[in-house]
Amino acid sequence: AQSVTQLDSQVPVFEEAPVELRCNYSSSVSVYLFWYVQYPNQGLQLLLKYLSGSTLVESINGFEAEFNKSQTSFHLRKPSVHISDTAEYFCAVSRSGQGGKLIFGQGTELSVKP
Amino acid sequence: DAGVTQSPTHLIKTRGQHVTLRCSPISGHKSVSWYQQVLGQGPQFIFQYYEKEERGRGNFPDRFSARQFPNYSSELNVNALLLGDSALYLCASSTDRVVGNTIYFGEGSWLTVV
Repeated sequence: AQSVTQLDSQVPVFEEAPVELRCNYSSSVSVYLFWYVQYPNQGLQLLLKYLSGSTLVESINGFEAEFNKSQTSFHLRKPSVHISDTAEYFCAVSRSGQGGKLIFGQGTELSVKP
Repeated sequence: DAGVTQSPTHLIKTRGQHVTLRCSPISGHKSVSWYQQVLGQGPQFIFQYYEKEERGRGNFPDRFSARQFPNYSSELNVNALLLGDSALYLCASSTDRVVGNTIYFGEGSWLTVV
């Protein structure tokens, strides 16, 4: 069975500081990896995804994540955060033949302080 | 273009009652999935429908059911409501079942069972 572990439930950070949100997964088969962001009282928005190819994927707002197969990780990073990045971040996995079914982690609350 | 729309946005029900939640996918999307997000946790997969047929089911009791209509909209029904059914119910749509196609989420229906 697949599972996703987000190692930090809350990450407080000051504005313009770097941040890393950690995600580990377990699966016996190849997986596809996603990061979603949820702003207060809103639905989920896709931030970035890894399907194949380059293990480093980037989003349009400065986030990046690196797929590490040997460590079964897909950590999310940003070199300099903004107040507007304050949100809940969810790591998720899916696998071939299960389009539409995502297994989510528990979420990490990123709180950016001025 | 309109995104995934869900109704109602908030509702309060009493234990033992029944609830119907509705979802309209993005135009052209034939796949609809439902997720339950309990406060403080990541979303849990409930159902996926594609071309009006159930294509996947999560670990939820038979009190939960769903269907998809010819126009690809969907309903989630929950019978004999329990206090533990209180959650945000998210609907998501995508063009098909292929993993990697972006899954778009609605803003959810907040269900409170008292």
